[in-house]
Amino acid sequence: AQSVTQPDIHITVSEGASLELRCNYSYGATPYLFWYVQSPGQGLQLLLKYFSGDTLVQGIKGFEAEFKRSQSSFNLRKPSVHWSDAAEYFCAVGTPGTYKYIFGTGTRLKVLA
Amino acid sequence: DAGVIQSPRHEVTEMGQEVTLRCKPISGHDYLFWYRQTMMRGLELLIYFNNNVPIDDSGMPEDRFSAKMPNASFSTLKIQPSEPRDSAVYFCASSLGFLIGNSPLHFGNGTRLTVT
Repeated sequence: AQSVTQPDIHITVSEGASLELRCNYSYGATPYLFWYVQSPGQGLQLLLKYFSGDTLVQGIKGFEAEFKRSQSSFNLRKPSVHWSDAAEYFCAVGTPGTYKYIFGTGTRLKVLA
Repeated sequence: DAGVIQSPRHEVTEMGQEVTLRCKPISGHDYLFWYRQTMMRGLELLIYFNNNVPIDDSGMPEDRFSAKMPNASFSTLKIQPSEPRDSAVYFCASSLGFLIGNSPLHFGNGTRLTVT
């Protein structure tokens, strides 16, 4: 069965520092991979997605993610964090051809001024 | 586009009462999803529709939960009777396209349900 693990529940970084949020998935083949962001009181917004091809994916708001098949990982990165990036981030996996999105439990990012 | 619209934003009710959550998807989207978010279980898919027809309701926790989509622009999620353990944030999401990768999910702002 598919599963998604986000090992870090909370992460705190200083504004301007780099960021990496971890995501590991379990699936027999190459799944579709997504990162969503949720601001307080809001729904989830898509940051980026990976289907195939180039393993480094660029998203909105300066985020990128790299798919590493050997590690079953899809980590999210940003070179310089802004205070407005404080939110909760969700990794999700989907089986090609279905609408079964499985979400991780999320990582809450706090940004220090 | 106004996005996915959910109502109410907050709902507080007593155990045993009926609760109805409402969703208006983005115009033209042919898939609609209901999710539940809790601290303990994260984001769970309850049910999804394609062209107003329920496709997979395996995530609906109990018979107390039911969902309908009478037309392309409206869906409801009903809980009857409600219980305190139903307290959660309920999200509606819609998308356009056939394959999972072609169209991302667009989420509403959610309904925070509290059952006392």
